Amino acid sequence: GQQLNQSPQSMFIQEGEDVSMNCTSSSIFNTWLWYKQDPGEGPVLLIALYKAGELTSNGRLTAQFGITRKDSFLNISASIPSDVGIYFCAGPLSGNTGKLIFGQGTTLQVKP
Amino acid sequence: DTAVSQTPKYLVTQMGNDKSIKCEQNLGHDTMYWYKQDSKKFLKIMFSYNNKELIINETVPNRFSPKSPDKAHLNLHINSLELGDSAVYFCASSQAVRRLYEQYFGPGTRLTVT
Repeated sequence: GQQLNQSPQSMFIQEGEDVSMNCTSSSIFNTWLWYKQDPGEGPVLLIALYKAGELTSNGRLTAQFGITRKDSFLNISASIPSDVGIYFCAGPLSGNTGKLIFGQGTTLQVKP
Repeated sequence: DTAVSQTPKYLVTQMGNDKSIKCEQNLGHDTMYWYKQDSKKFLKIMFSYNNKELIINETVPNRFSPKSPDKAHLNLHINSLELGDSAVYFCASSQAVRRLYEQYFGPGTRLTVT
């Protein structure tokens, strides 16, 4: 079946550093979404991408929809302690049913 | 002013019991979902409802039965609970037209079966 692979699985960085993570798929997606999950909370939608090549920002976060439509990237600039959490990519499965498939997540830890 | 709310937050119960989790959204969305997150944080969809109609029913045991009394509520009832049902269950919602995949999640219900 379809799978989304996120890389890296975890990151431990110093406050102020920039962060990059990516998500790849074996099949094409028409939409890419990025979510963040804080400990003990539900995932929160960060950015939604709808067009190949699209680059969208949300504050210090920037996400890109890969040209091949099989990957997406998330960058966080000037990280702060509250950026800690798990970042998930997600994409829709066919059928326009709302069914999303999620990556396994990238866990980010930020050292003050 | 909570957008998607779930009750209870924590649920500890014994094997064989029946339990329910309730979900409500005040976003005016017409589609609601149940997801299961396992111990490795993997998120998997279980069910979705659109305007009280079941749309997605993944390969979930029959012991799990969702019910949607109206488009703002989606409950999950679990019969004969098993150890493997222990997980965090998330409710989510979205608007079917144009923003179907922009799903808003509740805070989760941590179910522990002993």
